Amino acid sequence: QTVVTQEPSLTVSPGGTVTLTCASSTGAVTSDYYPNWFQQKPGQAPRALIYSASNRHSWTPARFSGSLLGGKAALTLSGVQPEDEAEYYCLLFYGGAQGVFGGGTKLTVL
Amino acid sequence: EVQLVESGGGLVKPGRTLRLSCTTSGFTFGDYAMSWFRQAPGKGLEWVGFIRSKAYGGTTENAASVKGRFTISRDDSKSIVYLQMNSLKTDDTAVYYCSRGGWSPGFWGQGTLVTVSP
Repeated sequence: QTVVTQEPSLTVSPGGTVTLTCASSTGAVTSDYYPNWFQQKPGQAPRALIYSASNRHSWTPARFSGSLLGGKAALTLSGVQPEDEAEYYCLLFYGGAQGVFGGGTKLTVL
Repeated sequence: EVQLVESGGGLVKPGRTLRLSCTTSGFTFGDYAMSWFRQAPGKGLEWVGFIRSKAYGGTTENAASVKGRFTISRDDSKSIVYLQMNSLKTDDTAVYYCSRGGWSPGFWGQGTLVTVSP
């Protein structure tokens, strides 16, 4: 059973910077896992932010950036805004065929 | 404008079947893989599977939790992707979302609720 692990919760101050990570139980996360990041606010559908580790969708604000860091996928928010308070999920693909989500990170802006 | 609208959800008894549809517009449907996801009440997201475009064989991949019970298909002439759900279990209760893309799901629909209950 493959497990994808994210921090359960993080807190950041407005204007600050925070990094969320996404680890795989199988080892280092690489671009072969096509890491994706999504944001979800209560009562809303998820919104895609990042694909293939570091590529923003056309609607993704520049303050969101994705990377591979220390064997994990990472999502960094710089200049955090109050509206960034949300749940964030990463998605990895194994063998290009099986997608597995992390459990999500609840980001509080305080 | 890209739009995805899921439909077909509702209340169904365990063991029964349901077919969800995702009707799309605003893009060349046949050029894209399409994905299905779900989210049980109060829980995280779960990947259900995707179907490749015809250019990549139109083949499907499914999560182990639904393999053999759920089937994804597409009708490129109607720009619709389907999720056929058989032998439904109470654990399948969730909001089901479709999305454009396979390895890089981008645009998402608003979801349709499926409730499996005796």
